[in-house]
Amino acid sequence: DVVMTQSPLSLPVTLGQPASISCRSSQSLVHSDGNTYLNWFHQGPGQSPRRLIYTVSNRDSGVPDRFSGSGSGTDFTLKISRVEAEDVGVYYCMQATHWPFTFGHGTRLEIK
Amino acid sequence: EVHLVESGGGLVQPGGSLRLSCVASGFTFRSYWMSWVRQAPGKGLECVANIRQDGDEKYYVDSVKGRFTISRDNAKNSLYLQMNSLRAEDTAVYYCARQLRPDFWGQGTLVTVSS
Repeated sequence: DVVMTQSPLSLPVTLGQPASISCRSSQSLVHSDGNTYLNWFHQGPGQSPRRLIYTVSNRDSGVPDRFSGSGSGTDFTLKISRVEAEDVGVYYCMQATHWPFTFGHGTRLEIK
Repeated sequence: EVHLVESGGGLVQPGGSLRLSCVASGFTFRSYWMSWVRQAPGKGLECVANIRQDGDEKYYVDSVKGRFTISRDNAKNSLYLQMNSLRAEDTAVYYCARQLRPDFWGQGTLVTVSS
């Protein structure tokens, strides 16, 4: 199975400051169809996961533009340009190129 | 607005069975792959199974193969997960999710396997 490694595990951030989460995969996530199926999810306290980013860098409908995704191959990054209070929770990367699809262990973002 | 509502969770003894259901609304259910994803308490996420629009193609994670069966009823906008031979390690919140590569998730139903 593809192993997804996220860092850091915990991310204390001051309101209004930027944040960055790294995700690395144990093998390339480039699919035979040419797409790279790397997604990012946010799980707020007591909530189900919400997808923020799909295929590396595409924001889902309603996701603020302070969220951006980048990367290629095996190395990916989620960036928040200015953290807001509603951004607290756990962020997961997920690869959907190789079955079984797998998730990183999560990065917990908290406000300092 | 997309809605996915799971039901059927509960407490079951090891070796027992449960059937989870998910009712979908707000989109054309028969046009989408559907998935089940689980999250053990305080742990990460695991894709358990998914099923094609017509029900003829299914994928399972190795840990549930031969024990779990995913199915759907497009006339009822419903997705199911039949879980047999349950083990303690199956304890988790089970989420119904839209798409092969999940985009929208329900609120989940808790399955607890314990004697």
